[in-house]
Amino acid sequence: GQQVMQIPQYQHVQEGEDFTTYCNSSTTLSNIQWYKQRPGGHPVFLIQLVKSGEVKKQKRLTFQFGEAKKNSSLHITATQTTDVGTYFCAGGYSSASKIIFGSGTRLSIRP
Amino acid sequence: KAGVTQTPRYLIKTRGQQVTLSCSPISGHRSVSWYQQTPGQGLQFLFEYFSETQRNKGNFPGRFSGRQFSNSRSEMNVSTLELGDSALYLCASSLRDLAASYEQYFGPGTRLTVT
Repeated sequence: GQQVMQIPQYQHVQEGEDFTTYCNSSTTLSNIQWYKQRPGGHPVFLIQLVKSGEVKKQKRLTFQFGEAKKNSSLHITATQTTDVGTYFCAGGYSSASKIIFGSGTRLSIRP
Repeated sequence: KAGVTQTPRYLIKTRGQQVTLSCSPISGHRSVSWYQQTPGQGLQFLFEYFSETQRNKGNFPGRFSGRQFSNSRSEMNVSTLELGDSALYLCASSLRDLAASYEQYFGPGTRLTVT
């Protein structure tokens, strides 16, 4: 069956350092979505990647979708305290009508 | 547009009881999915409803059930509550069913505590 693995589980960085979280799927994805959940909040949609090798940027955030459409990454440049939260990837498997969430990476920042 | 609303926001129940949670999706959204979130477990998919039909179901026991009404509002029911059912229950609405992979909009969740 389909599985989405996300690493690391936690990351604690100094403000201004970079941060990256990685997702891997056991099978080829139709697409991948990324969500952010602030402490005490609910997941909020960030972006969706559909094409093989796709790269999208949102200010300091860079999202990549692997060439084989089995992995993805989210990179944050020069973290700020507002980046604190848990970042989830969600793999879309259209043929199975499923979206499977990774376990999330919790980002904390030392000011 | 109003966001996804969930009621109640907090609930305390005792073991063996049952509970019903409600979710009102964004106007025009026909898909509602339910997730269970516990510390360290991420978002576990419960089920998805689209146009009043259950489209998909996660690996949860039959004590967890749901339904969707013609106005797309959805309810989730958990019978014979166990301590392990304590969690944040999130519903998410989407314009289309999950197969179409549209973005999901999450509600604030219902925090269920079972004692």
